[in-house]
Amino acid sequence: EDKVVQSPLSLVVHEGDTVTLNCSYEVTNFRSLLWYKQEKKAPTFLFMLTSSGIEKKSGRLSSILDKKELSSILNITATQTGDSAIYLCAVVVASGAGSYQLTFGKGTKLSVIP
Amino acid sequence: NAGVTQTPKFQVLKTGQSMTLQCAQDMNHEYMSWYRQDPGMGLRLIHYSVGAGITDQGEVPNGYNVSRSTTEDFPLRLLSAAPSQTSVYFCASRPRDPAYEQYFGPGTRLTVT
Repeated sequence: EDKVVQSPLSLVVHEGDTVTLNCSYEVTNFRSLLWYKQEKKAPTFLFMLTSSGIEKKSGRLSSILDKKELSSILNITATQTGDSAIYLCAVVVASGAGSYQLTFGKGTKLSVIP
Repeated sequence: NAGVTQTPKFQVLKTGQSMTLQCAQDMNHEYMSWYRQDPGMGLRLIHYSVGAGITDQGEVPNGYNVSRSTTEDFPLRLLSAAPSQTSVYFCASRPRDPAYEQYFGPGTRLTVT
């Protein structure tokens, strides 16, 4: 059974801190790893990672995949209260006959306090 | 381009009632999925479809039915609502090509009393 584990499950930091969120996976037929940010409504897409060691960056957020360690990290520098959200990790796996499925982790709830 | 739309946004049902959550996408995506999200449980897959006329069960399918008569629409039916089905439901769609991300609808908050 495919498994995606995120840690920590929740985190409280002060504005300006840097945080690192973790996602590890045990899946067969890995294709890619996705990070989403979920505030009050639907998850919004952040990054897709397919190649090991290549950092994706968007402003203060960055993410990298380590295929050897079967994991990914999401870094947020100089956190702001607007970064408070649930961060979801999902792994895309090939499920046969040319189809692909997403398996989500339980998410990390980040709270940034002023 | 509306993306993925869901109706209703909120719904309250009594135990035993049935209803249909609507989902539509205008991006011509082959794949569509229904998830439920409960506190501390993440997103759990209920049913999914890889194209019109093809559906399959996900992780938590009991108590739900789906159909996919067109590429655009993927309704989720609750046959006989139970309090355990109180949750937030998200519909999602994505292209067949795994190089593209999945898009989510705005969600439906369902309460069963």
